[in-house]
Amino acid sequence: GDSVTQMEGPVTLSEEAFLTINCTYTATGYPSLFWYVQYPGEGLQLLLKATKADDKGSNKGFEATYRKETTSFHLEKGSVQVSDSAVYFCALLPTNFGNEKLTFGTGTRLTIIP
Amino acid sequence: DAMVIQNPRYQVTQFGKPVTLSCSQTLNHNVMYWYQQKSSQAPKLLFHYYDKDFNNEADTPDNFQSRRPNTSFCFLDIRSPGLGDAAMYLCATSRDRGRASEQYFGPGTRLTVT
Repeated sequence: GDSVTQMEGPVTLSEEAFLTINCTYTATGYPSLFWYVQYPGEGLQLLLKATKADDKGSNKGFEATYRKETTSFHLEKGSVQVSDSAVYFCALLPTNFGNEKLTFGTGTRLTIIP
Repeated sequence: DAMVIQNPRYQVTQFGKPVTLSCSQTLNHNVMYWYQQKSSQAPKLLFHYYDKDFNNEADTPDNFQSRRPNTSFCFLDIRSPGLGDAAMYLCATSRDRGRASEQYFGPGTRLTVT
């Protein structure tokens, strides 16, 4: 079945450091890929998405590129801020119509220290 | 702003006492989902409605039921909550089915069972 493997956390970085959170997936066909962010005590917010190979999703300084050849969708940001501290979930939505089940990774807790 | 609203944000119930969680949306989306998220875990899909069509996940306990009386509202009923049902419950919506239909999440209801 479909699966998403995320970089183990927690990750702690200093403000203005470069961030990479790795995400790889297993799925048939060409799933859509997403990054969601969850701030403490809140629901999930869609951060960015990509729906086909080589697409780059970007938002709020975060970027991720859909790499079919390496089945990856790594999240990057050039300079993190304290306000980026949250849990980040990589997720995929399958190709087959009618299967709306998002498959999530286990989440990566990110803490940015001033 | 169009959004997904969950009430209440925090709910305390007694062991075995039925409880209902509420979700409403102003996005006019066709699909509504209920997820359970336990501490430090990824969200787990319980069921979803595509319009009035109910779709249950195979591993969702019978203790969990749902109702969608109209497009805007969806309810999660837990008939006899156990201590293991304490979790954050997330409602989400998507415009339609299909691989590009991203899901929008509400802020969640944190359920405590005493």
